[in-house]
Amino acid sequence: QVLLVQSGPEVKEPGASLKVSCEASGYRFTEYGIAWVRLAPGQGHEWIGWINTLTGKKTYAQSLQGRVTMTADTSMSTAQLVMRDVHSGDTAIYYCARGGMASSFDVWGQGTLITVS
Amino acid sequence: DIRLTQSPSTLSASMGDRVTIACRASQNIGTSLAWYQQKPGKAPKLLISGVSNLESGVPSRFSGSGSGREFTLTITSLQPDDFATYFCQQYFTYLLTFGGGTKLEIK
Repeated sequence: QVLLVQSGPEVKEPGASLKVSCEASGYRFTEYGIAWVRLAPGQGHEWIGWINTLTGKKTYAQSLQGRVTMTADTSMSTAQLVMRDVHSGDTAIYYCARGGMASSFDVWGQGTLITVS
Repeated sequence: DIRLTQSPSTLSASMGDRVTIACRASQNIGTSLAWYQQKPGKAPKLLISGVSNLESGVPSRFSGSGSGREFTLTITSLQPDDFATYFCQQYFTYLLTFGGGTKLEIK
């Protein structure tokens, strides 16, 4: 069974960094990229960025560039999102999803609620 | 960035009804459009990619159509499990964007 399992919810103070992990199983990790998407209260889904798990190439949303870093550990089949200097507007459910740089996403993690307060 | 505008934002319907959800893109995106279903507290589920290609296991009462800038998701004969939020996503460019979502409620 193909799964993406994310780390648990967290509460962060403004100015702190958030870190969300996404462990893949049931498929070869490096055959698909991982995108990160968030859903803030009352908002639509927002693409954060994407990482090529084979090459490590990344693309980030312009609005978040400079605060976001994505990594992929092929030995652990795990992708990670780090966002620095968070504020209340970063309160959201963060999802990882499997797919290409410009594609739909066929497998999603269960979501990680990050509350900045 | 390419903007996706969904309508309506909320849709009330009854079991067995046929419903249509629209997604309009701010520019031509060809056929690079997907539809997802999401229920509260759950991850999105991919229903359709490439405008009209049904994912494996998705019931045939779901269908998608359109091209260019105008797209629709149609659900025929609504079932209890269909009441959820639906949203579109474009992947014409790597700067992916999503529609604001349509909440399908039971009338």
